[in-house]
Amino acid sequence: EAEVAQSPRYKITEKSQAVAFWCDPISGHATLYWYRQILGQGPELLVQFQDESVVDDSQLPKDRFSAERLKGVDSTLKIQPAELGDSAMYLCASSSLLGSGNTIYFGEGSWLTVV
Amino acid sequence: GENVEQHPSTLSVQEGDSAVIKCTYSDSASNYFPWYKQELGKRPQLIIDIRSNVGEKKDQRIAVTLNKTAKHFSLHITETQPEDSAVYFCAASPNYQLIWGAGTKLIIKP
Repeated sequence: EAEVAQSPRYKITEKSQAVAFWCDPISGHATLYWYRQILGQGPELLVQFQDESVVDDSQLPKDRFSAERLKGVDSTLKIQPAELGDSAMYLCASSSLLGSGNTIYFGEGSWLTVV
Repeated sequence: GENVEQHPSTLSVQEGDSAVIKCTYSDSASNYFPWYKQELGKRPQLIIDIRSNVGEKKDQRIAVTLNKTAKHFSLHITETQPEDSAVYFCAASPNYQLIWGAGTKLIIKP
């Protein structure tokens, strides 16, 4: 069964350092999402891509977070500089089409701890 | 915009009993309602979904009902088992967005 691939699975970084996460969606999935999930809370959408275009980044803290999906396939989420409050699980997800009713499949997530 | 409320935040049931989690939504344009299960430290996984042209959907011990008039939908789990312990999230989709509920922690007591 095809899966969304993410790396690294775990990352510990010091405050003010840069950190990057990579995601490879299910083959053929045009829509890619990055979510942040703080322990005990629900997933929060950071950015949504349709192919290489950003569809929604209204909740992305753009002063320190950036995301790109240059060729419309894999994607990178970067945080610079990292802050203590960024400690969370970063989930990448994909779906086959943009629009309501398309199942979203999640990767295993990247756990970030900022010390 | 769409708002999804989920209740209860925590639900404790005896093993073998049924569990019901309820969600309400605000945007009548929402037409897709998935439910995700998330075990501790793992990713959310889709367990069942329903579209607005259907009132009920069942998959073995899990069922979802949708009342479009009242704008609410519910997850029903029958004959609960220890492996059902997890956090359950409902969501509603009015367009390309998926709006999530806050989650329900389901505890199955032996």
